[in-house]
Amino acid sequence: DGGITQSPKYLFRKEGQNVTLSCEQNLNHDAMYWYRQDPGQGLRLIYYSQIVNDFQKGDIAEGYSVSREKKESFPLTVTSAQKNPTAFYLCASSIEQDDEQFFGPGTRLTVL
Amino acid sequence: GEDVEQSLFLSVREGDSSVINCTYTDSSSTYLYWYKQEPGAGLQLLTYIFSNMDMKQDQRLTVLLNKKDKHLSLRIADTQTGDSAIYFCAAGLSGGYQKVTFGIGTKLQVIP
Repeated sequence: DGGITQSPKYLFRKEGQNVTLSCEQNLNHDAMYWYRQDPGQGLRLIYYSQIVNDFQKGDIAEGYSVSREKKESFPLTVTSAQKNPTAFYLCASSIEQDDEQFFGPGTRLTVL
Repeated sequence: GEDVEQSLFLSVREGDSSVINCTYTDSSSTYLYWYKQEPGAGLQLLTYIFSNMDMKQDQRLTVLLNKKDKHLSLRIADTQTGDSAIYFCAAGLSGGYQKVTFGIGTKLQVIP
């Protein structure tokens, strides 16, 4: 089945540690996105990538990094520089010229 | 930039119709979306409407767009308990990279 997978579903880390969230899609989509969801704030764009080996900062990129070495994969690293990393992280993808974004199931990150 | 606003909460009785409203600010928005998010899950695209349309119906869902007022609504007929979720309105621009702005989400509670 085609779709977007994110792993793990729940992730716990100690303060000061970097952590990488996985996002994989087999939809052959060119564009991929990372959002952060906090209660009462909706979704905010962290990074997006239109094509392999290219990515751009979104609205709240500070404290995060990404890579796009393969079309299927867009991992997000939450670094120790992110002041408030505890949140629900959503990955999405879309066909380059099409505006529908398809979302993964999300990863809930809790920093202790 | 684009701003998308929606109310936080709506409560309806099972069998009644639900109407979730949304306003956006950028008249250039080409696509307007409705996403559904169930607890602990990712976002599921319910429906979308192009800005040159006034209405779109898909089974129990009816989307109305008032482009002049930049107002979008989602009507769910015969609301069921399984419709209880958070509904996100989103506005997007076309043209290669997909820039979508999400609302804060409306939590729909269906009372049996």
